[in-house]
Amino acid sequence: AQSVTQLGSHVSVSEGALVLLRCNYSSSVPPYLFWYVQYPNQGLQLLLKYTSAATLVKGINGFEAEFKKSETSFHLTKPSAHMRDAAEYFCAVSGYGGSQGNLIFGKGTKLSVKP
Amino acid sequence: DVKVTQSSRYLVKRTGEKVFLECVQDMDHENMFWYRQDPGLGLRLIYFSYDVKMKEKGDIPEGYSVSREKKERFSLILESASTNQTSMYLCASRGRLGTEAFFGQGTRLTVV
Repeated sequence: AQSVTQLGSHVSVSEGALVLLRCNYSSSVPPYLFWYVQYPNQGLQLLLKYTSAATLVKGINGFEAEFKKSETSFHLTKPSAHMRDAAEYFCAVSGYGGSQGNLIFGKGTKLSVKP
Repeated sequence: DVKVTQSSRYLVKRTGEKVFLECVQDMDHENMFWYRQDPGLGLRLIYFSYDVKMKEKGDIPEGYSVSREKKERFSLILESASTNQTSMYLCASRGRLGTEAFFGQGTRLTVV
């Protein structure tokens, strides 16, 4: 069974500061990992995904995440926050397909960006 | 572009009613999902389907059932709606292993 823990339900940073959103996963098989973003009153949009290729994954809007198997982590980072990054971010884990192909989300981290 | 369409954006139903939420995708995806989203609880998986007529329970299946008679359509059924099922319901679909899921715009259901 898969599960996801996102540390910190709310993170606040200043514009231009580093963004770090934490995600730890549990999976009985090598996982597929995803980060999604949800802007206010909008649907979910994929930021990036890890599918067992490179461990450092680059996504849209300057975000990236590093898969660390030893730490079972997939933290999301961005070197310099913009006001437009204010949103809710969700980490998700998936197993293999068929009956094991469920997609499990964390509780989300709401990012605020101060001017 | 992949399109996942949920039949209603907003629904108001009475306690005890049978409620159908419909979801249609146009990309021939094998996998479809139903989630509910509540503040502070993230997205919780209700059911998913990995093929026509195949389904698996998620984390919170109680009070819900699903139907997938055709590949493109996945229905969520509230057999007897209750006020604690007031929530945002999100449908998603996904193709082969490791690919991203695409989401519908959501149905905000209020049970009164």
